[in-house]
Amino acid sequence: AQKVTQAQTEISVVEKEDVTLDCVYETRDTTYYLFWYKQPPSGELVFLIRRNSFDEQNEISGRYSWNFQKSTSSFNFTITASQVVDSAVYFCALNGGSSNTGKLIFGQGTTLQVKP
Amino acid sequence: DTGVSQDPRHKITKRGQNVTFRCDPISEHNRLYWYRQTLGQGPEFLTYFQNEAQLEKSRLLSDRFSAERPKGSFSTLEIQRTEQGDSAMYLCASSSTGAGEEAFFGQGTRLTVV
Repeated sequence: AQKVTQAQTEISVVEKEDVTLDCVYETRDTTYYLFWYKQPPSGELVFLIRRNSFDEQNEISGRYSWNFQKSTSSFNFTITASQVVDSAVYFCALNGGSSNTGKLIFGQGTTLQVKP
Repeated sequence: DTGVSQDPRHKITKRGQNVTFRCDPISEHNRLYWYRQTLGQGPEFLTYFQNEAQLEKSRLLSDRFSAERPKGSFSTLEIQRTEQGDSAMYLCASSSTGAGEEAFFGQGTRLTVV
């Protein structure tokens, strides 16, 4: 079975602090894809990043960075110098490549509150 | 194209009534998905279409739920004889065909059954 666990339910930081959101996944597929989505109060899920299981290179995009480690089945997300606009619910999701349906298995989400 | 759009944004209905939601995907996307999200939870997969064919349905999709995608364009999700447990946000997403393609989500329809 496939599963995504985001153990942190809520995180509160003060603006300009760095924050890391944890994601641990389970899958038996050898080919799979991992995603992070952001859900602001408006409700629309916004795509942030995708990684495939063969690409363990960490990625940095502006203030965002992602650390993918197959050895620990983790795909963590760090926001550097957080801003109030980063406040949202963040979801990690898994797509098992063997099914090739594009169906996503989501974690329960981490609510990030950035205080001014 | 302005993205995935869903209608209505909010729906309040009495228990036992039928409701229908509409989703218009990004026009060039072959795949369309419905998810349900309850408060404090991540979205849960309901069903998936590739063009007009419904290829997978979750066990969450009881007999009271039906989805269609005529002509492979927009999709509708109907819930018959609504129950209070159906209250949730219903999210639609679309994507291109291909392994690992990112899905683009609409803003959802929030259903409240009273």
